[in-house]
Amino acid sequence: GQQLNQSPQSMFIQEGEDVSMNCTSSSIFNTWLWYKQDPGEGPVLLIALYKAGELTSNGRLTAQFGITRKDSFLNISASIPSDVGIYFCAGIPISYNQGGKLIFGQGTELSVKP
Amino acid sequence: DTEVTQTPKHLVMGMTNKKSLKCEQHMGHRAMYWYKQKAKKPPELMFVYSYEKLSINESVPSRFSPECPNSSLLNLHLHALQPEDSALYLCASSQEGGLSGGPNNQPQHFGDGTRLSIL
Repeated sequence: GQQLNQSPQSMFIQEGEDVSMNCTSSSIFNTWLWYKQDPGEGPVLLIALYKAGELTSNGRLTAQFGITRKDSFLNISASIPSDVGIYFCAGIPISYNQGGKLIFGQGTELSVKP
Repeated sequence: DTEVTQTPKHLVMGMTNKKSLKCEQHMGHRAMYWYKQKAKKPPELMFVYSYEKLSINESVPSRFSPECPNSSLLNLHLHALQPEDSALYLCASSQEGGLSGGPNNQPQHFGDGTRLSIL
């Protein structure tokens, strides 16, 4: 079935550092989404991308929809302690014709040391 | 605050009990979803409702029974669950229809989930 390879699996960084994570697939995607999940809560949508090459920012977060439509990255600049959590990429493959079924990456667990 | 509300937040039940999880959204979304999530793993899709009709069942065991009474509500009825069913159950919703005129490519918005423990 469809798979998303998300890397890295985990990151331990110092407060103030920049962070980069990415997702790749062998399939073409219509939509790329980036979510953040804190303990005890549901995933929160950070950024949605709909067009190849699209670059979108949300505060200190920037994400891009890869030109090949098979990858996406998320950057976080000047990390702060509240950035701690698990980040999931998710995508809707172009081959799916109903339901908006999402494919999730395995997640990147981010730890920030003050 | 999330716009998708799930109740209860926590549920502990025995294997012979019957209980229900509830989900409500008032964003006018016409697609609603149930997911199961284990710790530090991505959500796994269980069911999709589109315009109040079940459109996807990901081969979920019959001890999980979904119900969509109206466009704002989604229930998950539980009966005779197993210990391995202990997990975070997430509800999500999305608009129907894609911006590009194709299939539904709208982002899903999640609730905070129900933490379910089976004794």
